[in-house]
Amino acid sequence: SQELEQSPQSLIVQEGKNLTINCTSSKTLYGLYWYKQKYGEGLIFLMMLQKGGEEKSHEKITAKLDEKKQQSSLHITASQPSHAGIYLCGADGNYGQNFVFGPGTRLSVLP
Amino acid sequence: SQTIHQWPATLVQPVGSPLSLECTVEGTSNPNLYWYRQAAGRGLQLLFYSVGIGQISSEVPQNLSASRPQDRQFILSSKKLLLSDSGFYLCAWSVPKHSGTEAFFGQGTRLTVV
Repeated sequence: SQELEQSPQSLIVQEGKNLTINCTSSKTLYGLYWYKQKYGEGLIFLMMLQKGGEEKSHEKITAKLDEKKQQSSLHITASQPSHAGIYLCGADGNYGQNFVFGPGTRLSVLP
Repeated sequence: SQTIHQWPATLVQPVGSPLSLECTVEGTSNPNLYWYRQAAGRGLQLLFYSVGIGQISSEVPQNLSASRPQDRQFILSSKKLLLSDSGFYLCAWSVPKHSGTEAFFGQGTRLTVV
């Protein structure tokens, strides 16, 4: 089965700093998804990547998928307290039969 | 448009009591359905997924069970809750496509077992 790993497990940054979260798959990814969650709340879809080398941006968040489609990074520029939460990568590795998540990265942004 | 409903939003149950969480999807047919659990401060754990009516796959052994009595209805149950069942439960759906697809989530149920 597909397994996803994320690093770091948790991250504390000062407001205004840049940061990167990584997601690594044990298998080739057919689709890689990034979500943000605050504990006890639903997931917010951020971005979906499908093609090797693809890069997408939304406001101050940029996500990339490597050429081999086994690793993705999420980069936040000039972080703000509103960016705090748990960031999860998810993957659909087999025609949607089993959508799995990485363990998550907990981000805290200090004002 | 597709929507997903999950209820209740919060639940406090005593140890040993039964549980029933319901999730329904509108606006799509034959979706894959999922139940996830998130313990405090931890990532999401896939509990069950279903690719069709009556078809349930369990990812982890536990005292929970799932059923899919209708195409767009997914129920998470327990006969006797444990303290360790506390957590945040999320229902999700996806429609398999060759190109891959994302999962869409309900708003979740915060379960506290006391």
